[in-house]
Amino acid sequence: DAKTTQPPSMDCAEGRAANLPCNHSTISGNEYVYWYRQIHSQGPQYIIHGLKNNETNEMASLIITEDRKSSTLILPHATLRDTAVYYCIARNDYKLSFGAGTTVTVRA
Amino acid sequence: EPEVTQTPSHQVTQMGQEVILRCVPISNHLYFYWYRQILGQKVEFLVSFYNNEISEKSEIFDDQFSVERPDGSNFTLKIRSTKLEDSAMYFCASSGGLDSNQPQHFGDGTRLSIL
Repeated sequence: DAKTTQPPSMDCAEGRAANLPCNHSTISGNEYVYWYRQIHSQGPQYIIHGLKNNETNEMASLIITEDRKSSTLILPHATLRDTAVYYCIARNDYKLSFGAGTTVTVRA
Repeated sequence: EPEVTQTPSHQVTQMGQEVILRCVPISNHLYFYWYRQILGQKVEFLVSFYNNEISEKSEIFDDQFSVERPDGSNFTLKIRSTKLEDSAMYFCASSGGLDSNQPQHFGDGTRLSIL
């Protein structure tokens, strides 16, 4: 799996959009970009994934650049319950390789 | 929404004892996984399982570990002779397919404490 790079931490204001960046400059053509989050010590929660096109679901939107070297996860209206560690994973295998992720703190 | 359930939520065991961690995957999923997370560290892949066989395992998954699907609903991880360094959160996951377009869905884990 390609290596991904995320900022170690970021803050955002409650009610505002949270934009979480991820760099994956060595991603190969068959690797999907996955986003998971982990709230406290709970299990990782699947958020969204995509290959080339932008994706949206009830939780978030995923914007992938045309060259696929980076992506952004957008939480449209962050709430306090979105405070978590967010993991960006480039995956072409059946295992997930988690990094350190971005610790997102949503502040009131 | 269907979910992966794990029991127990917390297991305390003496070093050298055997422990079995249990998981009920999402009902129509056929691919199962175990991961672990030592306190303060990354989530690490242990093993994947399909059709009653191990598909892939990491170097962590040595001879003290085994997995089994004893019936149509449960998926278990057995640690034969526990060591202090086995203390961790153990997460079970399942997916509808093995290919990388199939998301894995995780349970909330079992906290294993070895004394």
